[in-house]
Amino acid sequence: EAGVAQSPRYKIIEKRQSVAFWCNPISGHATLYWYQQILGQGPKLLIQFQNNGVVDDSQLPKDRFSAERLKGVDSTLKIQPAKLEDSAVYLCASSLIYSGTSTDTQYFGPGTRLTVL
Amino acid sequence: GQNIDQPTEMTATEGAIVQINCTYQTSGFNGLFWYQQHAGEAPTFLSYNVLDGLEEKGRFSSFLSRSKGYSYLLLKELQMKDSASYLCAVRASRTYKYIFGTGTRLKVLA
Repeated sequence: EAGVAQSPRYKIIEKRQSVAFWCNPISGHATLYWYQQILGQGPKLLIQFQNNGVVDDSQLPKDRFSAERLKGVDSTLKIQPAKLEDSAVYLCASSLIYSGTSTDTQYFGPGTRLTVL
Repeated sequence: GQNIDQPTEMTATEGAIVQINCTYQTSGFNGLFWYQQHAGEAPTFLSYNVLDGLEEKGRFSSFLSRSKGYSYLLLKELQMKDSASYLCAVRASRTYKYIFGTGTRLKVLA
């Protein structure tokens, strides 16, 4: 079974530029998460999709970040314009729809390391 | 609100046993997860607890006390490859949102 795919793996941009990240979840996984992980910290949830609907985006800086999940499969996360403090690893994860006593967990992609200069 | 606390760093010797603690405060609990994250890599799932008690999986065990808001991850027969960060995460009951702690960086010394 293929895992969560992300691209690009690395990106270097200057502040005020735009950048986009792509994620393809595990086939059949309805829930998709985007996290920001700053060095030395745990992942922070930016946005959570259930199919193509947003479940939680309370920590997404909506003045500069946007995300979409068309057709409930692939997703893109965009930053426009980028700031120095956006330098981080952006992780995408997916999971099945939770039901009953399932021990369903989320599976992470390799991440995109963003450096803003 | 939701809050998860775990130690920032721990050091142990190869072959030893180490316990990494995690305390949490959350509204709507739907399970506690432990992930391992090697430097520069994505987190990988280690264990899951939703009921009180101990779950054992090989060299790794995880314990949960919901009334105390407390969990620990126990690693036995430490190996050098266990040097990594260990993330404690709580899943919320309504949204299935995961809240992560800052992670505990474990160094295993020869």
